[in-house]
Amino acid sequence: ETGVTQTPRHLVMGMTNKKSLKCEQHLGHNAMYWYKQSAKKPLELMFVYNFKEQTENNSVPSRFSPECPNSSHLFLHLHTLQPEDSALYLCASSQDVGGPQYFGPGTRLTVL
Amino acid sequence: KQEVTQIPAALSVPEGENLVLNCSFTDSAIYNLQWFRQDPGKGLTSLLLIQSSQREQTSGRLNASLDKSSGRSTLYIAASQPGDSATYLCAPHSGGYQKVTFGIGTKLQVIP
Repeated sequence: ETGVTQTPRHLVMGMTNKKSLKCEQHLGHNAMYWYKQSAKKPLELMFVYNFKEQTENNSVPSRFSPECPNSSHLFLHLHTLQPEDSALYLCASSQDVGGPQYFGPGTRLTVL
Repeated sequence: KQEVTQIPAALSVPEGENLVLNCSFTDSAIYNLQWFRQDPGKGLTSLLLIQSSQREQTSGRLNASLDKSSGRSTLYIAASQPGDSATYLCAPHSGGYQKVTFGIGTKLQVIP
């Protein structure tokens, strides 16, 4: 778990708030991912970054805005979210896009 | 579009039993397949990764097999322990999509 860290671990926000989720990997990997996990649903891939470049946007609403300033850090900026966006948001990294993925502990987001 | 089914959805067994978790996927053109465990409210821990050219992988009491042509993988857990209680997720990596697709998982409870 210490290879990929996520902050905050828990976040409660109103629909008009702006907040950011942070992910950092200490594994020297080149690819990073954001996933959403809602209750009783499979993990949904949101974004993929490879060498800081976004290579996948899985039809994610624009109220979610990713940022990858370098290969070790990944952010997910949130604004004007909806209650149905409440979920566990997981970050992962891999050496390359085809390699095994290592996950962080997640951020439990609640939108009121 | 890759779809992943995991059977059973839930399983409760007494300690010491050997058990098999099943995973099927619709697109057999996979790059590799990864098995994870997830403890409640936490991130995913990678257990095993099988490359498309491999038939099985072993790690301790865990053995994962892959039959790519039929779109199936199984995870065998020997001599189950209460600490094995978790949700187990199967995730094939479809090379054509450059992304990993997850099943809902099998929730395992091992009773002391």
